[in-house]
Amino acid sequence: EAGVVQSPRYKIIEKKQPVAFWCNPISGHNTLYWYRQNLGQGPELLIRYENEEAVDDSQLPKDRFSAERLKGVDSTLKIQPAELGDSAVYLCASSLLSYGYTFGSGTRLTVV
Amino acid sequence: AQTVTQSQPEMSVQEAETVTLSCTYDTSESDYYLFWYKQPPSRQMILVIRQEAYKQQNATENRFSVNFQKAAKSFSLKISDSQLGDAAMYFCAYRPSFSGTYKYIFGTGTRLKVLA
Repeated sequence: EAGVVQSPRYKIIEKKQPVAFWCNPISGHNTLYWYRQNLGQGPELLIRYENEEAVDDSQLPKDRFSAERLKGVDSTLKIQPAELGDSAVYLCASSLLSYGYTFGSGTRLTVV
Repeated sequence: AQTVTQSQPEMSVQEAETVTLSCTYDTSESDYYLFWYKQPPSRQMILVIRQEAYKQQNATENRFSVNFQKAAKSFSLKISDSQLGDAAMYFCAYRPSFSGTYKYIFGTGTRLKVLA
């Protein structure tokens, strides 16, 4: 079984530029999560999808961050414009019901 | 609000020895799940072990076991016969068990170094 696939693995952009991350969850997993992991910290939830519906986005900075989950499968997380403080690892995870997450390998974003 | 605390930023262990990583948490819930995740340099979070709060028996997965003390809100991970491949960041995580909330609360992590 293929795992959670994320791309790109690394991204370096200048501040004020836009950036997008892509996630392909495990087939059949109805729940998808985006987490942000700052350096030296544990991951923190940005947004959770149940199928194509965003059901928990309270931690998503909506002035610059947006996300979508097409047809309840792939998801894209966008930042526009990026700020220096957005430098972090962005992790995607998926799960079937409540058992447990499967994480992707993340995208390391560096904003210069 | 629920919190998870890992008070050991870094730990070292000699290969083949045993090491214990500490985790405490705070919650007013009576039913929940606790997890230990391993994050190697590849960045992928890998589930090491999981514990349901309603189970008194400590979970075990091969060389990994936990000491779950519900009253003390403590959830430590013991790694026996440490191997070089165990070197990684280890995160303790909490999740309420009631339906509709699958948000994990992670600690700040413990970096484990394994010395040859």
